[in-house]
Amino acid sequence: NAGVMQNPRHLVRRRGQEARLRCSPMKGHSHVYWYRQLPEEGLKFMVYLQKENIIDESGMPKERFSAEFPKEGPSILRIQQVVRGDSAAYFCASSPPSRVYNEQFFGPGTRLTVL
Amino acid sequence: DQQVKQNSPSLSVQEGRISILNCDYTNSMFDYFLWYKKYPAEGPTFLISISSIKDKNEDGRFTVFLNKSAKHLSLHIVPSQPGDSAVYFCAASYSLYGNKLVFGAGTILRVKS
Repeated sequence: NAGVMQNPRHLVRRRGQEARLRCSPMKGHSHVYWYRQLPEEGLKFMVYLQKENIIDESGMPKERFSAEFPKEGPSILRIQQVVRGDSAAYFCASSPPSRVYNEQFFGPGTRLTVL
Repeated sequence: DQQVKQNSPSLSVQEGRISILNCDYTNSMFDYFLWYKKYPAEGPTFLISISSIKDKNEDGRFTVFLNKSAKHLSLHIVPSQPGDSAVYFCAASYSLYGNKLVFGAGTILRVKS
């Protein structure tokens, strides 16, 4: 059973470009979470999605960031017009449906560097 | 406002001895707590969890203790092994809010052989 897959593992963008980060959850998992880790800090929640629905986006910056989890295909975290402060490790996690308490299983992360 | 705190940035332990990692939280609504281990350039790996209705959960060398009145939890690793050297994150969630995790800043554990 393959784990959570993220690609690319490393992404370099210049200021003003767009970054697209992809996440394929574990088989059988229908809940996807995105977290961001800045240097020397813990992970910070960004958004929680189920298939075709955004459940909680309370951690997403109001501008330039968006996320989707379509019926088919991976979840996408999109950052438009990137700035240097967006440089971080972005982790995706997934969990199975219909449980009160869910362990979340993390992917290897995408390390975004904005030049 | 940091709701989950790991006040020790690092901990060094001799191989074979016990490692104790601590975590404090401020939000009494949290009802589920997890520990993750993370190696450099990898994602966090789930270790062990505990719900707020329990005060102890054990899995092999790992035991998590929860003291709700003190809003404190700890992870015990016995015996510690060099391969345990990693960053350990404490995380908390509350089921009414869709299980998003609130993480502490992490503790670097070094196990010396």
